[in-house]
Order: sequence, then structure tokens, then C-alpha cells
Amino acid sequence: NAGVTQTPKFQVLKTGQSMTLQCAQDMNHNSMYWYRQDPGMGLRLIYYSASEGTTDKGEVPNGYNVSRLNKREFSLRLESAAPSQTSVYFCASSEIESDTDTQYFGPGTRLTVL
Amino acid sequence: AQKITQTQPGMFVQEKEAVTLDCTYDTSDQSYGLFWYKQPSSGEMIFLIYQGSYDEQNATEGRYSLNFQKARKSANLVISASQLGDSAMYFCAMREGRGFQKLVFGTGTRLLVSP
Repeated sequence: NAGVTQTPKFQVLKTGQSMTLQCAQDMNHNSMYWYRQDPGMGLRLIYYSASEGTTDKGEVPNGYNVSRLNKREFSLRLESAAPSQTSVYFCASSEIESDTDTQYFGPGTRLTVL
Repeated sequence: AQKITQTQPGMFVQEKEAVTLDCTYDTSDQSYGLFWYKQPSSGEMIFLIYQGSYDEQNATEGRYSLNFQKARKSANLVISASQLGDSAMYFCAMREGRGFQKLVFGTGTRLLVSP
């Protein structure tokens, strides 16, 4: 049981390049999320998927797209990377059967855009 | 307006002492949930404790307890008997409403535990 896995762990891009961050969970959770973490700003929600087949914008969606490929996988795509997207990206998943159900986070992807 | 406010950028505590990390929140919902997460230097986010708005008792999980004061809209994390391994960033987060969880995080408090 790996929980939430993310690939890659580190990535360096040049401005204008594109890339996809991959996320998978093996906990059979319905909901999945993408966050970014910047120094001094906590975690901010980029996109989320409440259930398979649905995706919605979070607080900071500009410059990103997502795909909920199936129940397990939720990818985040940067079409044309910008230095402002330098950040640590976290994927998370949760179940919504109970109010106490928490979000479980992946190990993060550290992205640098030059 | 910020939904979650953590006013302590950094806190110091000696090993074996207790420490309180502050968190205040802002919501007009009657139903909400409050979470604390720990982020060690390795970077992963670790869930610590949860408090629901209708819970009458303060939540406890081992050495962690949540001092929930609804009228003051505060949800402070208390760590008893601090250990060196408690040195980390701590984030308070809130879910508004019920069901689907869209969390809003505070900016975090860095805790350093000294021997």
C-alpha cells in the first residue's frame, strides 16, 4: 500500500516548456487534489476532482490543466511554464464518506522554472 | 480576508516541555472542520489531528491535543512533552461545510525543539 505517489520528485524546466506531473493513489479514494506550496504562503489549491469524471478550479488555476484519468490517477499539466510556477507541488486524495476523513498527501514534486 | 491565520512564524521549545501553536479561523458556516498537519524537513505532509465544529470535546491524538474555542474561533494545537522529532512546520487548515473537502491552509508555524 503506497498511499499517494507522485512523479517526478524534481524537475527543472526552461520558460515556455511543458510538462505533466503524475499522481496516483491506491486507497480507492474518490477525491483528488493538486496544491502548490510557496515560501510563506502555505498550500494553495490549484485544481481538484471531487469524483472520477469531474474536475474543478481551485484558488490558483491559471497556467495549469488537469486530467482525472481514472479513479486512481490525477495529472497536472503546465502547458507553457513560467518562472512564477517555480514551487513545490503536492497531490492529495481523500474519501468523503465521513467529515473526519482527512486528505493524504504525496511526497511532492519540486519544480524550478528558469 | 484570510480564512486561516497562524500568527507565529516561528516557535522555540525545550525538549519535554509543552508548546501551543496558535490558529484562528474565519467562517460563516455552522458546519466546518479543522485540521493540523506536520511538515518535517523531508517535505511530506503528515495529518495530526481533526476537530469538527459540532464536536463538544477537544480532540486528542497521543501527545497532540486541539484546544478548540468556538466562540473565539480558535483551534490551537498543543504538543505535550516535546521531542526533537517534533521540529517541523505545522499547518492549520479548515474545511467549510460537510462532505467534499476543499481545504484552506494557514501559512504555517515553524517549531524548533532544542535539547
